[in-house]
Amino acid sequence: AQSVAQPEDQVNVAEGNPLTVKCTYSVSGNPYLFWYVQYPNRGLQFLLKYITGDNLVKGSYGFEAEFNKSQTSFHLKKPSALVSDSALYFCAVRDSNNAGNMLTFGGGTRLMVKP
Amino acid sequence: EAQVTQNPRYLITVTGKKLTVTCSQNMNHEYMSWYRQDPGLGLRQIYYSMNVEVTDKGDVPEGYKVSRKEKRNFPLILESPSPNQTSLYFCASSPLSGRRIEKLFFGSGTQLSVL
Repeated sequence: AQSVAQPEDQVNVAEGNPLTVKCTYSVSGNPYLFWYVQYPNRGLQFLLKYITGDNLVKGSYGFEAEFNKSQTSFHLKKPSALVSDSALYFCAVRDSNNAGNMLTFGGGTRLMVKP
Repeated sequence: EAQVTQNPRYLITVTGKKLTVTCSQNMNHEYMSWYRQDPGLGLRQIYYSMNVEVTDKGDVPEGYKVSRKEKRNFPLILESPSPNQTSLYFCASSPLSGRRIEKLFFGSGTQLSVL
C-alpha cells in the first residue's frame, strides 16, 4: 500500500528566509511524487513532480524539491520565502506497483510567511 | 483557456435528496478523478476514471456514484446524501503517459452541506 505523511500541520517562516515543507512516503515499488499548492478558496495547483532522474526537481514559483530514496523523503524547499507563498501545501505519491492509478495525498501543511 | 469546471460552487441540501455535481474539462484528458477535502484528512480520492466508460473506486467510494459517458464530463452523484458527506469536493483531470498520471488540473471546488 502507498502512503504519504506530512509531519507538520503548520510551518512558520519569516519573509526572505529559506523554507522547507517536509514529506515522507512509503511505497513497495518506485515512487511518483508530486507537490501541489492550494490558495484560499481555490483548487489545488501543480508545483512539481518527481518521476525519475535528478534528485533535485525544480518547479513553479521558485520552488524545488529533493528526492531522497534512503530517507524516503521528498521535501519542498525555497531559498527565500515570500508572503505570497502563504498557502496550504500537499504532497502526493503514486506507487509504480499500483495497478490502479490512485494518487494518495498527505494531510497538508499550512505555510505562513510573515513580513 | 484550459480548465476544469465544476458546478455548483456551493450547495446546501437535505438528507436523502439526490444531487449531482458536474465536472467538465476542455483539455481532452483521459484521466479524471473526484476528491473530498476534510480538515486534518487532506484529500481523499472517491472515484477515478482512466477513460470513457472506465471507472474505479478510490479510497472512499461509499455513498457516491460516477459515470464517464463522454471524455470531457465526469459527474459525481450522491443518490441519498447524508450529513457525513458534508465536505469540499474537487474534480481533477490529467493527461496520461502510458498509465501514469502526468499532472493533475483541479477545479475550483464544490462546498457541499448536507443538513
